[in-house]
Amino acid sequence: EVQLVQSGAEVKKPGESLKISCKGSGYNFATYWIGWVRQMPGKGLEWMGIVYPGDSDTRYSPSFQGQVTMSSDRSINTSYLQWSSLKASDTAMYYCARRGDGYNVLQFWGQGTMVTVSS
Amino acid sequence: QSVLTQPPSVSGAPGQRVTISCTGSSSNIGAGNEVHWYQQLPGTAPKLLIYGNNNRPSGVPDRFSGSKSGTSASLAITGLQAEDEAEYYCQSDDSSLRAWVFGGGTKLTVL
Repeated sequence: EVQLVQSGAEVKKPGESLKISCKGSGYNFATYWIGWVRQMPGKGLEWMGIVYPGDSDTRYSPSFQGQVTMSSDRSINTSYLQWSSLKASDTAMYYCARRGDGYNVLQFWGQGTMVTVSS
Repeated sequence: QSVLTQPPSVSGAPGQRVTISCTGSSSNIGAGNEVHWYQQLPGTAPKLLIYGNNNRPSGVPDRFSGSKSGTSASLAITGLQAEDEAEYYCQSDDSSLRAWVFGGGTKLTVL
């Protein structure tokens, strides 16, 4: 069974750094792209980008390029999303999801990580 | 403002049929890129409902179907049930943006 398990909720102050994780199991983690999606409170889904754990190739949405960094460690089946300096506007639920076979679709989803940035 | 446009809300009575539209442009749906649909129940992660315009993942009831024509796509739900009350999102690729894009979401209310 394919599963993606994300790290727990975070509460941070503006300017702090943060790295959240997404651990995959039940499939060959290195050979499927992992996507990240933001959902701000009460709002819709926003595609942030994707990372390929096999070689850490990344593709960012223009809206998120330079704002976040995606990475992976295939040795522990885990992908990451990180910020170097959080802003209050980064407050949101963040989902990771695995790309499907042959389609640019997010087939399997993690449970989400809520990030709250407040002074 | 989302690249793909969906109606903010639709509603229907139990047993009825509803459709949700997703309108794009020549750089996404109209470029031949496939459309996918997700269902998000309140307080939960999204779930893939339709992929590749009209394919259902294993376990998704055949009450859900997708179609695509020109620069638009549609999700149809027949035999509406109370448990279908959720937010629905379309998604495609945008060749100009070089990004995957979502619609703004449609809230389905079962009356």
